Formats: sequence, C-alpha cells, structure tokens
Amino acid sequence: LAKTTQPISMDSYEGQEVNITCSHNNIATNDYITWYQQFPSQGPRFIIQGYKTKVTNEVASLFIPADRKSSTLSLPRVSLSDTAVYYCLVGDNLGGKLIFGQGTELSVKP
Amino acid sequence: DGGITQSPKYLFRKEGQNVTLSCEQNLNHDAMYWYRQDPGQGLRLIYYSQIVNDFQKGDIAEGYSVSREKKESFPLTVTSAQKNPTAFYLCASSPTTYEQYFGPGTRLTVT
Repeated sequence: LAKTTQPISMDSYEGQEVNITCSHNNIATNDYITWYQQFPSQGPRFIIQGYKTKVTNEVASLFIPADRKSSTLSLPRVSLSDTAVYYCLVGDNLGGKLIFGQGTELSVKP
Repeated sequence: DGGITQSPKYLFRKEGQNVTLSCEQNLNHDAMYWYRQDPGQGLRLIYYSQIVNDFQKGDIAEGYSVSREKKESFPLTVTSAQKNPTAFYLCASSPTTYEQYFGPGTRLTVT
C-alpha cells in the first residue's frame, strides 16, 4: 500500500477556501485516492474518492494531476464546523486494508 | 435506522482482565474492521473480516482476538496479553474497501 505524506496541521478562517495536499509518490496503477474527515471522539467519515483529474461532490473537490503522485482536497468556504482531522488514503479495492496516517489537523477560526 | 453500533461508549477494566467490545451493523455489508486510535495518532488496523467465518490480522493484532459468526456482528476481545490496551476503539463496515462506515467508538480504560 502506498505511503502518504500530508501536513500535520493547517489554520484557516471562516469563509476561506482550504486546500490540503497529500503526496503519494509510490501510487500504483490500480490505486484510488480517498479522503476521510474525523471529529474528536468520533469515527472518520468518508468525504471523497478519485482516480484521476477532478472529482467534485456537495462537500469537497479532489484534484489529481496527471502523474497521480499527489492530490489536493479542496474545501470551499470553510466554517467553524469544518475543524477536524483530514486523512488521505491511497490503495486499491482489494485486500481489505486501509492505512491511516497521522492526518492533517485543520483549525478554522472566526 | 441503518448504521453501525458499538457498545458501550466508555468501558473501564482492571489490568489482567479480558474485555469484549461489541460491534453490530445492519447495513448488510460483507466487510468489517476494527481499528485502534491513540491520542493524536491515526487509526491502526487490528483485524478485518471480508466474509462470515473468515478474518485476517491487521497491523497490530497481538493481544486481540475476534470472531465473525454472523454477518451483522464482529466482536473484539482485548486480552490480558495486550500490553497497552487503553485506547479509543473504532469498528467499521464496508460494501467496498474504500467506503468504510464507522461506528461511534468505544473508549477503553484499563487501570
């Protein structure tokens, strides 16, 4: 399973767009990129998944360049309730295993 | 309501005792997972099961045991062999590997 690297923490203000980048240099051909959000003392929640180019849903956008060695989670106009830890995961849909790294702790301030 | 339930939310035990954490899902998912999370850390996989009556060790299986006798249930036993059992335990289920649905967690404290 490909290892991922993300910033440990980020700060933002309400109403701003936040971009969190994840590096995954060893991504394999069959690997997908998935992001989860976790609030304190709760289980992580699936946000978005992509394979290449751009994916958008009602919560976020995921940008994946052509070489797929990195990806960027974009949260438009964050609010205080977006303060959480965000995890980037890379892998295929075989094997049943997910590897969670330390994640990025996003702090949104008024 | 569909979802995953874990009970209890908080659990206290004395050192040397085995303890079983409950995880039930009514989402009809084949795969189920147990993770451990320590303060300020990411999740680490303990065990996972992709089908009834079958399960595999994750990265930190030592000191833990599981069973998967029913599709809906995947209980985790923390044995006395687990050297540092105090942690937040999360159960998840999944129709596919990358859309895991997590329960509310059980915070276990062993003294």
